[in-house]
Amino acid sequence: GESVGLHLPTLSVQEGDNSIINCAYSNSASDYFIWYKQESGKGPQFIIDIRSNMDKRQGQRVTVLLNKTVKHLSLQIAATQPGDSAVYFCAARGSGNQFYFGTGTSLTVIP
Amino acid sequence: EAQVTQNPRYLITVTGKKLTVTCSQNMNHEYMSWYRQDPGLGLRQIYYSMNVEVTDKGDVPEGYKVSRKEKRNFPLILESPSPNQTSLYFCASSWKSAYEQYFGPGTRLTVT
Repeated sequence: GESVGLHLPTLSVQEGDNSIINCAYSNSASDYFIWYKQESGKGPQFIIDIRSNMDKRQGQRVTVLLNKTVKHLSLQIAATQPGDSAVYFCAARGSGNQFYFGTGTSLTVIP
Repeated sequence: EAQVTQNPRYLITVTGKKLTVTCSQNMNHEYMSWYRQDPGLGLRQIYYSMNVEVTDKGDVPEGYKVSRKEKRNFPLILESPSPNQTSLYFCASSWKSAYEQYFGPGTRLTVT
């Protein structure tokens, strides 16, 4: 079946450094991708999305890159802050409006 | 305030006792969805709905039912809960499927 996977379950970065979280998906027909942030005890919170007709999209301090050739997307967080510490999920819309989520990368920001 | 609400937030029940988890959104969204979150497995989609009276199975629909009689509500029904349905459940909604999903606060269900 379809799947979405994250490359690293945990990531630690120094405050002020840039963070990169990677994600791979299996279905070449996936056409919409989202990154979510989940803090402890809360529901996932939207960060940024990208459609398959784009390679890159930027938000405030965040950039998502999509490489459809190798079915890979990444989330880059610039100047990482302690408030960025959370679990990050990528999700892909597969066939039939169904969504598949990765297992999450836990980001820890070291002050 | 735009939001997705779920009730109850916490529920402990026994095997076989039917239960319903309610989900409501006030954003006039067409797409609604239920997910369960388990350690090491991430979020898995149970059911989703493209609009009123239109529902489809997600990745893990066994043991669950849903209905979408009104646009704002999307209840999750467990007719005969079993311990393997112990999990953290999230409801989410979006304007259409390929748009930002707003998640509710979650319902932690324990089935003994």
